[in-house]
Amino acid sequence: GAVVSQHPSWVICKSGTSVKIECRSLDFQATTMFWYRQFPKQSLMLMATSNEGSKATYEQGVEKDKFLINHASLTLSTLTVTSAHPEDSSFYICSARAVTGGHNEQFFGPGTRLTVL
Amino acid sequence: GQNIDQPTEMTATEGAIVQINCTYQTSGFNGLFWYQQHAGEAPTFLSYNVLDGLEEKGRFSSFLSRSKGYSYLLLKELQMKDSASYLCAVTDSNYQLIWGAGTKLIIKP
Repeated sequence: GAVVSQHPSWVICKSGTSVKIECRSLDFQATTMFWYRQFPKQSLMLMATSNEGSKATYEQGVEKDKFLINHASLTLSTLTVTSAHPEDSSFYICSARAVTGGHNEQFFGPGTRLTVL
Repeated sequence: GQNIDQPTEMTATEGAIVQINCTYQTSGFNGLFWYQQHAGEAPTFLSYNVLDGLEEKGRFSSFLSRSKGYSYLLLKELQMKDSASYLCAVTDSNYQLIWGAGTKLIIKP
């Protein structure tokens, strides 16, 4: 089946630093990847849609200059949280879209837990 | 606007059956997904429905009625490991996934 990896699985950083999270589709090519954020006891919140070779589409309320997304290849998308602050502490999950069994399905990475001190 | 409703929390007993409902109002419809998410982990795929009717997969079944904008996930022979959040998500006319807030299922011995 389609496998998506995410690295790192967890990170602790100081306020004001930048953190990069990688999302890779291991056994398929993903023209579209998605970045989600999930706060404790809340549902997934879509942050942005990343299309290979073009600029990401950000959801309303998500600062594109703070959450930099790069989708340079069909198997890799990165999310960089710039000048991170404690309120950015969250569970960040990426997913990649693939067509399986004739329908579009999203395969999720294992997530990255970010803690900003 | 687009909206997906599902109960916030449900409780059931080990070995029993539970049905988690999901109603949706979206701009277009290209399929409905159910995902399972354990605390601290990413969601995992459970089922996909695009045509009306019941899809059975082991202990889990999912039902869809497009005319009613309604789906349910049926879990049989509940096990303690089934304690998780269950997310309903609908693909709209642009093939974007619209997510419900999730139903937290608590299984008691």
